[in-house]
Amino acid sequence: DGGITQSPKYLFRKEGQNVTLSCEQNLNHDAMYWYRQDPGQGLRLIYYSQIVNDFQKGDIAEGYSVSREKKESFPLTVTSAQKNPTAFYLCASSFPGQGGTEAFFGQGTRLTVV
Amino acid sequence: DAKTTQPTSMDCAEGRAANLPCNHSTISGNEYVYWYRQIHSQGPQYIIHGLKNNETNEMASLIITEDRKSSTLILPHATLRDTAVYYCIVRVSGSARQLTFGSGTQLTVLP
Repeated sequence: DGGITQSPKYLFRKEGQNVTLSCEQNLNHDAMYWYRQDPGQGLRLIYYSQIVNDFQKGDIAEGYSVSREKKESFPLTVTSAQKNPTAFYLCASSFPGQGGTEAFFGQGTRLTVV
Repeated sequence: DAKTTQPTSMDCAEGRAANLPCNHSTISGNEYVYWYRQIHSQGPQYIIHGLKNNETNEMASLIITEDRKSSTLILPHATLRDTAVYYCIVRVSGSARQLTFGSGTQLTVLP
């Protein structure tokens, strides 16, 4: 089955540690996105990538980093510089440049800093 | 990307039609209207999209006004499983930075 997979579903980290969230898709989509969601809030864009080896900052990129070495994968690293990392993180993918194309979302990773 | 305005919350009786409005008065000619929904603690799910014409699929109908400044998502026979946050998004054609979510409408379907 085609889809987008995020892992792990729940993640705990100690303050001051970096942590990497996985996002893999087998939909052959060129564009991938990372969003952050806080309780009762909408989604905020962290980073997005249109093609391999290229990515752009979103609205809240500070304290995060990404890589796009493969079309299928877009991992997000939450660094120790992110002051309030506890949140629900969502990854999505789509075909870029085509207005009438839907985006597919993973089921999310809930990160808690302890 | 054009901004959207949605009511914060709505209730609907089970079995009735749920009509969710969205204002997008600054929409431009190449922007599509998309609807997604998010059930608690899950990833958003695509529902429907349209450019000018009304659209219908197995989940819902989308009615876009002639001037394209507003739209309505219609769930014809709401069930308890339709309780979710519904997001209306306008999306610029030709750009990857095209999924800007606001706070959405919390729809609660009541038994």
